[in-house]
Amino acid sequence: DTEVTQTPKHLVMGMTNKKSLKCEQHMGHRAMYWYKQKAKKPPELMFVYSYEKLSINESVPSRFSPECPNSSLLNLHLHALQPEDSALYLCASSPGQGATDTQYFGPGTRLTVL
Amino acid sequence: GEDVEQSLFLSVREGDSSVINCTYTDSSSTYLYWYKQEPGAGLQLLTYIFSNMDMKQDQRLTVLLNKKDKHLSLRIADTQTGDSAIYFCARTHFGNEKLTFGTGTRLTIIP
Repeated sequence: DTEVTQTPKHLVMGMTNKKSLKCEQHMGHRAMYWYKQKAKKPPELMFVYSYEKLSINESVPSRFSPECPNSSLLNLHLHALQPEDSALYLCASSPGQGATDTQYFGPGTRLTVL
Repeated sequence: GEDVEQSLFLSVREGDSSVINCTYTDSSSTYLYWYKQEPGAGLQLLTYIFSNMDMKQDQRLTVLLNKKDKHLSLRIADTQTGDSAIYFCARTHFGNEKLTFGTGTRLTIIP
């Protein structure tokens, strides 16, 4: 099983709303990732959790707040977003072996900020 | 920063072979990957090759790596309509789990 699941599939929110994106994997992976992908562009890394600790934050604005409650779950809390934050948000996971890891991606959450 | 470049578009007749190319600038590679993304979907891992290999074949897919020229290619044999998608090459770096993606190639199949 190489499945990463993400909920919801679509999300529309206003600039004053608070919402959360969820990601789950049951492959025993110890590294999990959040990416942002704008149309016709490659994914851009936002955060990396390794063994449930935040290891990389790619200078993401504080209106995006990641959380890793346990090794299978990854959340992205959203607050006071801007319309330019509308994008496909992808979660990925990997075994946690560093540079030899292979990342497996979820189907993404399509976020629209009004 | 390091660049990973791909041509933006490729059109191929159904049944022909598709060859998608990728070039990179940093020679300190570890693994190099090919991902497929269909419209509105996430990234599907197709195949990968370790940087000490020259070639890897997996059913209809053949990956070639030319380390001297820093060139990676993906050949899809007997291209089908279901192969229509955007294909991203990506690589990791020694000591770093970050993936660097190419710009993506949109493959269109001509009936």
